[in-house]
Amino acid sequence: GAGVSQSPRYKVAKRGQDVALRCDPISGHVSLFWYQQALGQGPEFLTYFQNEAQLDKSGLPSDRFFAERPEGSVSTLKIQRTQQEDSAVYLCASSPREPHNEQFFGPGTRLTVL
Amino acid sequence: RKEVEQDPGPFNVPEGATVAFNCTYSNSASQSFFWYRQDCRKEPKLLMSVYSSGNEDGRFTAQLNRASQYISLLIRDSKLSDSATYLCVVVGGNNRLAFGKGNQVVVIP
Repeated sequence: GAGVSQSPRYKVAKRGQDVALRCDPISGHVSLFWYQQALGQGPEFLTYFQNEAQLDKSGLPSDRFFAERPEGSVSTLKIQRTQQEDSAVYLCASSPREPHNEQFFGPGTRLTVL
Repeated sequence: RKEVEQDPGPFNVPEGATVAFNCTYSNSASQSFFWYRQDCRKEPKLLMSVYSSGNEDGRFTAQLNRASQYISLLIRDSKLSDSATYLCVVVGGNNRLAFGKGNQVVVIP
């Protein structure tokens, strides 16, 4: 079956530009997560949705980062006024239910901010 | 101190040899532990869960030591296809997954 998909796969932005990253989770998966993975590091938690409710956004690094999942399926991560330190791979993962024993990851969006 | 600490390596392993590595975690209340595998420029995928009694899946063995707060992964009879980064994952009390930075394994022919 279809896995988690993300778009775009690659994004180059000029510093100060706004970007929007999309995640399509596995159909029926209740939980959706966003992670940021810098080069040579493990994924770092950004935010978590259960259906349309954003239950945890404690990992968002600044108020320039905003995520939504208005209908409980597709999610968008928006970064306003991008900075060079935002350059990373942004991974989306979904999970059928709690406990989140296995999360299924999308291929990620590689963001480069010039 | 980070929640999950791993020595990134790389661990250069001759084909057919055994390699083992640990990760340590800081939250003594953590209940669930996993190893994920991440190939270069790919997404992480679940390799195996780590149970209190240990877990073996073919050539892979995972162990948990709660007293010392570490988990381990051992790979026997290494194959070239085992070359990847192995991410240690700990589930905290808030149900969030905390990832280590990974152990990079390079199997050499």
